[in-house]
Amino acid sequence: IQLTQSPSSLSASVGDRVTITCRASQGISSYLAWYQQKPGKAPKLLIYAASTLQSGVPSRFSGSGSGTEFTLTINSLQPDDFATYHCQQYHSYPWTFGQGTKVEI
Amino acid sequence: QITLKESGPSLVKPTQTLTLTCTFSGLSLTTRGVGVGWIRQPPGKALEWLAIVYWDDSKRYSTSLESRLTITKDTSKNQVVLTMTDMGPVDTATYYCAHRDYDSHPDRAVDHWGPGSLVTVSS
Repeated sequence: IQLTQSPSSLSASVGDRVTITCRASQGISSYLAWYQQKPGKAPKLLIYAASTLQSGVPSRFSGSGSGTEFTLTINSLQPDDFATYHCQQYHSYPWTFGQGTKVEI
Repeated sequence: QITLKESGPSLVKPTQTLTLTCTFSGLSLTTRGVGVGWIRQPPGKALEWLAIVYWDDSKRYSTSLESRLTITKDTSKNQVVLTMTDMGPVDTATYYCAHRDYDSHPDRAVDHWGPGSLVTVSS
């Protein structure tokens, strides 16, 4: 299953609302996760099951979608949110990741 | 608290076999539903899932790399080992191990990651 993220990068300002899309090449129900990764660090789980916020993740992050189209939304972008975001499907093996979206200032 | 840490060589030569060890705490690979897997990331590129082993010794592999990969667990040492044969420059990447528990969290994939281990393939 291929995952296509868009855009591959974006520029935004503090306070902006940002939306990232992840499209699957076939239906994956809601078996989609979003991760945040900062340079030199491991990815951090933000959202799983397409829309469930991982414990401790700020509520400005939200996810939606099912089937083949998913979105990650960051409301009121904060300085700490500038990072790369990855989607991952775990509907079937082999698990796959999107190519990542870099959110820059 | 679940923690994982990768260890292994930072430099391997082309054609050599890479052996990476993931040592973990706060979880047990004898507990139903628990799995530990490996993901890698070449510099500046996307994440790539490699393999996972579960509590019942079931294993899954990347289709494109399956012939080169072996994943095993040692429950007495709280370790998971990944071997990758015939290494080449394209295998240069940071290798991460990560935890999954599908029994406690059936709708979640991996949730805890190790810090990663950079492996460079060069002669």
